[in-house]
This record gives sequence, C-alpha cells and structure tokens, in this order.
Amino acid sequence: GQNIDQPTEMTATEGAIVQINCTYQTSGFNGLFWYQQHAGEAPTFLSYNVLDGLEEKGRFSSFLSRSKGYSYLLLKELQMKDSASYLCAVMGGTASKLTFGTGTRLQVTL
Amino acid sequence: GAVVSQHPSRVICKSGTSVKIECRSLDFQATTMFWYRQFPKQSLMLMATSNEGSKATYEQGVEKDKFLINHASLTLSTLTVTSAHPEDSSFYICSARDRTSPYEQYFGPGTRLTVT
Repeated sequence: GQNIDQPTEMTATEGAIVQINCTYQTSGFNGLFWYQQHAGEAPTFLSYNVLDGLEEKGRFSSFLSRSKGYSYLLLKELQMKDSASYLCAVMGGTASKLTFGTGTRLQVTL
Repeated sequence: GAVVSQHPSRVICKSGTSVKIECRSLDFQATTMFWYRQFPKQSLMLMATSNEGSKATYEQGVEKDKFLINHASLTLSTLTVTSAHPEDSSFYICSARDRTSPYEQYFGPGTRLTVT
C-alpha cells in the first residue's frame, strides 16, 4: 500500500521562500510528482522526480531522496497567486497509479 | 498539446437519477484514463483505472455497479453515476495518460456534481 504525509497548512510572506515536505512509504516506486491546485480547479503539473537530487524549474524546485522516502517542494520569491494547495503524489505499483497525499494549503500573506 | 476536457463542468441532478460525465483527450491518444473524486478540503482519491477496450479496475471501496466506467475509444472515457444520492456530491476529475509517455498524467478541468 501507499502512505503519503504532508503538512496540512502553511503560511508564508510574499517574497519569501517556503519548503513543503512530503514523506512516503510505498510498494513500488516510479516517481514522485508535485501538483498545484487552486480551489475548484483541477491540479496542474509542477514537477516530476524519479532519481535522487534536485530538479529546478524557475521559482519552483523539487528534491527527492528515495532512500529516505522524502521529497520537498521549494517555492522562491513567493507571490500572492501562489496561494493554493500543493499535492505530493507517488506513482507506484501496477498500472502506474498515482496516489496523492492530503495536500498542503499554502497561504501567502503580505 | 496534451489537453484533456471534461463535460459537463457542473451538473445538478435529483436524488435517484443518473449522471454521465465525459472525459476526452483532445490531441493525444490515451490508452489509460483515471477517475478521481475530491471532497471539499480533501485530496484526490482514485476511484478507478480505465483501459481502452477492457473493463475498468476499481479501487477498494468503490462500487463498480454504482460508478459505471466505459472507455470505448482511445480518446474518450465516461463515468456514469447511477442512482445518485446527496453523498455522491463531489468534484470528479479525470486524467489521461499519453500512450507515448508512460508516466505523465494530464488532468481534465473537473466536474462539480451536486445531488439534491
């Protein structure tokens, strides 16, 4: 089975840096995804890590340690529009299904 | 590229009726589509995996006779909620996997179902 943990809520200030952690326990691993979801909308893809290390894409970076079952999403130069839920999802097992964590609601304040 | 559409975007129906939701991959062929349900302030829960030309695989606890899934072509999957009840009110989201890219899923915009 899959077990994925994320903090429920976080608050950060505009212009700051925030790190959202995700720990997972899975049977089978084909990669870890981060998605952004605004209220009432579908998730949008942010990043995909399958090997250990840091993937950087503009203001967003994602890190993976497979041995520790750990990932984080780093958001730099926070903007008000970054207020959203951030979902950690692991792909594993047969059929390469995605299992989502509970999501972290990020509130960016002035 | 890689656009997935859902129809309708919102639907209100009366208790006991059935509702069909369509999920289409517009510019790619999807051998596999996934159906998720999301309740307010909760994460996405996978309901079933739909493979073109074969029966869907349902997750534990999801009633296959209540949530009928049909994946008749490489670009269309449908989810029918039969005999809907107010507790079925939720946000239903589909995703599709491009047959040429085994790991990435593209999400549709979601369907808000309200059962009165």
